[in-house]
Amino acid sequence: SYVLTQPPSVSVAPGQTARITCGGNNIGSKSVHWYQQKPGQAPVLVVYDDSDRPSGIPERFSGSNSGNTATLTISRVEAGDEADYYCQVWDSSSDRGVFGGGTKLTVL
Amino acid sequence: EVQLVESGGGLVQPGGSLRLSCAASGFTFSSYDMHWVRQATGKGLEWVSAIGTAGDTYYPGSVKGRFTISRENAKNSLYLQMNSLRAGDTAVYYCARVRGYCGGDCYYDYWGQGTLVTVSS
Repeated sequence: SYVLTQPPSVSVAPGQTARITCGGNNIGSKSVHWYQQKPGQAPVLVVYDDSDRPSGIPERFSGSNSGNTATLTISRVEAGDEADYYCQVWDSSSDRGVFGGGTKLTVL
Repeated sequence: EVQLVESGGGLVQPGGSLRLSCAASGFTFSSYDMHWVRQATGKGLEWVSAIGTAGDTYYPGSVKGRFTISRENAKNSLYLQMNSLRAGDTAVYYCARVRGYCGGDCYYDYWGQGTLVTVSS
């Protein structure tokens, strides 16, 4: 089955740039989607189709995807960005939804 | 405004059954694929089941044969029938609306608030 690998944690100072990676075999051939989840809340879509943003999501959130790694980039990080972030793909070869294990973003 | 409201969670003994419901509003329910995703306390998200607009269904191996996803378009409702429940099924269960095509690029643009299922004796 397809596996997505994320670092358990990423730390960044306010105003700096956070990069959260999502590794998978030839993930560049898939569409990758990213969700933000704050404690006690449902996930929220922040990036879809590798690099598109839903309405209402700040431009500070961006995504890229190539080779074996997709990346969620959060520019000018704010305290309110502290959350868990999950990448997700649909594995069409097995008709399965796949999530990465999640990355906890800590704003120092 | 799109709303998804889950219900039906609770405490159930191992081997028992539970039926979750998800009431949808604010969009044409029959036009969207719908999925269930769960999250054990302190753990990550796990895809649980999918149903297409035509009623086609998909499951991971961990729940296949035990869980059944269904929909009733006339009632704008999604269901998850869970049988032979195990302690490992304990989680918050979310229903989620799907965008895109689940042959390649589907994702979840709206989520419910979740309903907690606890499997314990």
